[in-house]
Amino acid sequence: VLTQSPGTLSLSPGERATLSCRASQSVSTSYLAWYQQRPGQAPRLLIYGESRRATGIPDRFRASGSGTDFTLTISRLDPEDFAVYYCQQYGGTSIAFGGGTKVEIK
Amino acid sequence: VQLVESGGGLVQPGRSLRLSCAASGFTFHDYGMHWVRQAPGKGLEWVSSISWNSDTIGYAGSVQGRFTISRDNAKNSLYLQMNNLRADDTALYYCTKDEGGWGGSNEHWGQGTLVTVSS
Repeated sequence: VLTQSPGTLSLSPGERATLSCRASQSVSTSYLAWYQQRPGQAPRLLIYGESRRATGIPDRFRASGSGTDFTLTISRLDPEDFAVYYCQQYGGTSIAFGGGTKVEIK
Repeated sequence: VQLVESGGGLVQPGRSLRLSCAASGFTFHDYGMHWVRQAPGKGLEWVSSISWNSDTIGYAGSVQGRFTISRDNAKNSLYLQMNNLRADDTALYYCTKDEGGWGGSNEHWGQGTLVTVSS
């Protein structure tokens, strides 16, 4: 089970966002991903295996953590970054998504 | 990469539905594929995965025994046969491409097809 916090983050453009994802059991960093879902759109992959950014993802997105505690940091929020973010544990059939964190404009 | 889902619609509880996903823009037979769903206003839920050669398949507990995933590499297509549908299966169903042959992240997503289970 993956638990994301906070449920909603209210910030202004240019601010730093810190999103948390906590696992009930240890997860390999190699199998932890983050996705972004903008309103009305399909999710898109941001970060995968060993905190690598997916193609086209700007370097203001950075993932860190290990074991049961993981963090997605957005260094300076761009207007297009206001969205819902999901963490995911994957690998084999042990696949689960966190409940999501909504980053909204303050 | 393009993934186009089809086959969704309104169906009564207990009935069946078959979803399809037409893939293009990549070598389909080299990649694992997944179905992920999202109930209205809710988060993401993994449904099922299939390896590049169909040898390895997995299901979420909520659909095990009712849903069957399959693929036709000759037709670049992924399928999800859904039987004995329930109201809580109502969701937007996404077809996604794995980053590799099996067990990877969901690298690319379709736009989804909506399944509504209601009498």
